[in-house]
Amino acid sequence: DGGITQSPKYLFRKEGQNVTLSCEQNLNHDAMYWYRQDPGQGLRLIYYSQIVNDFQKGDIAEGYSVSREKKESFPLTVTSAQKNPTAFYLCASSSRTGNTEAFFGQGTRLTVV
Amino acid sequence: GEDVEQSLFLSVREGDSSVINCTYTDSSSTYLYWYKQEPGAGLQLLTYIFSNMDMKQDQRLTVLLNKKDKHLSLRIADTQTGDSAIYFCAEDSGTYKYIFGTGTRLKVLA
Repeated sequence: DGGITQSPKYLFRKEGQNVTLSCEQNLNHDAMYWYRQDPGQGLRLIYYSQIVNDFQKGDIAEGYSVSREKKESFPLTVTSAQKNPTAFYLCASSSRTGNTEAFFGQGTRLTVV
Repeated sequence: GEDVEQSLFLSVREGDSSVINCTYTDSSSTYLYWYKQEPGAGLQLLTYIFSNMDMKQDQRLTVLLNKKDKHLSLRIADTQTGDSAIYFCAEDSGTYKYIFGTGTRLKVLA
């Protein structure tokens, strides 16, 4: 079955540590996205990538980094520079032609302890 | 700037209709979407409407689009307890970026 997979579902991090969230899709989509969700604030765009080896900052990129070495994969690293990293992180992908609806993974809940 | 606004909460009784409203600012959007999010899960696409349409019906769901007022609504007929979730509207800004609303938490009372 085609889809988009995020792992792990739950992640705990100590302050000062970097952590990487995985996102893999087998939908043959060119575009991939990372969103952060906080209660009452909807989804905020962290980074997005329209094509392999290219990505752009979203609205809240500070303290985060990404790579897009393969079409299928768009990992997000939450660095120690991110001051308030506890949140629900959602990865999505979409086609660049036709109906461009976004398909979402099941999310990763990151908690800093 | 680009912005999508929704009310935060809606409570309805089981069997009644629910109407969730959304206003957007980017008149160049090609598609407008409604997504559903259940607790602890990702977003699932419920339905979408192309910007040159006024209405779209899909089983219990009816989407109305008023382009003049930049207003989008989602009506759920015969609302069930399984419809309790957060509903997001989103616009496709045409630059491969999506602008999401803050989400409306729908609570269905038995």
